Amino acid sequence: EAEVAQSPRYKITEKSQAVAFWCDPISGHATLYWYRQILGQGPELLVQFQDESVVDDSQLPKDRFSAERLKGVDSTLKIQPAELGDSAMYLCASSQDRGDEAFFGQGTRLTVV
Amino acid sequence: AQSVTQPDIHITVSEGASLELRCNYSYGATPYLFWYVQSPGQGLQLLLKYFSGDTLVQGIKGFEAEFKRSQSSFNLRKPSVHWSDAAEYFCAVTNAGKSTFGDGTTLTVKP
Repeated sequence: EAEVAQSPRYKITEKSQAVAFWCDPISGHATLYWYRQILGQGPELLVQFQDESVVDDSQLPKDRFSAERLKGVDSTLKIQPAELGDSAMYLCASSQDRGDEAFFGQGTRLTVV
Repeated sequence: AQSVTQPDIHITVSEGASLELRCNYSYGATPYLFWYVQSPGQGLQLLLKYFSGDTLVQGIKGFEAEFKRSQSSFNLRKPSVHWSDAAEYFCAVTNAGKSTFGDGTTLTVKP
């Protein structure tokens, strides 16, 4: 069964350091999402791609976060510099098209110390 | 802006008992509605979805949900809960390709 792959599963980093997460969506899925999930809350959309284009990054803290999906396939989310408040689960999801059901990866648990 | 409210932060039920998890959404038209389940440290798995048509939808693992337009609700139900259903459940609304999630309901199942 096709899955959304994310790496690493866990990451511990010191504040002010740079950190990056990788996501490989299900093959053929045009839409890719990055969500941040703080403990005890639901996922919050950070950025949404349609193929290689960003269609929504309204909630992305652009002073420190960046995301790219250069060839419209896999994607990288970067944080530089990391802050203590960035500790959360970062979830990647993909769907065939906008509005379709999303399939989630297992997430990357980030701890900033 | 669309929003999703899950009024119950935590629910405890006995194994074999029935379950209903509440979800209310705020949006002018009928959005796409979803229920997801998340086990600790894992990603989200889709239980069921509503796009249009029959307002009672069946999902995986014996779950169902009913869309009630007049109440702006999409409550999740299961007639008999199993211990393996213990997890966190999220309701989500999607409109124009943008999804909004509720803050989740944690389900504990007593033996």
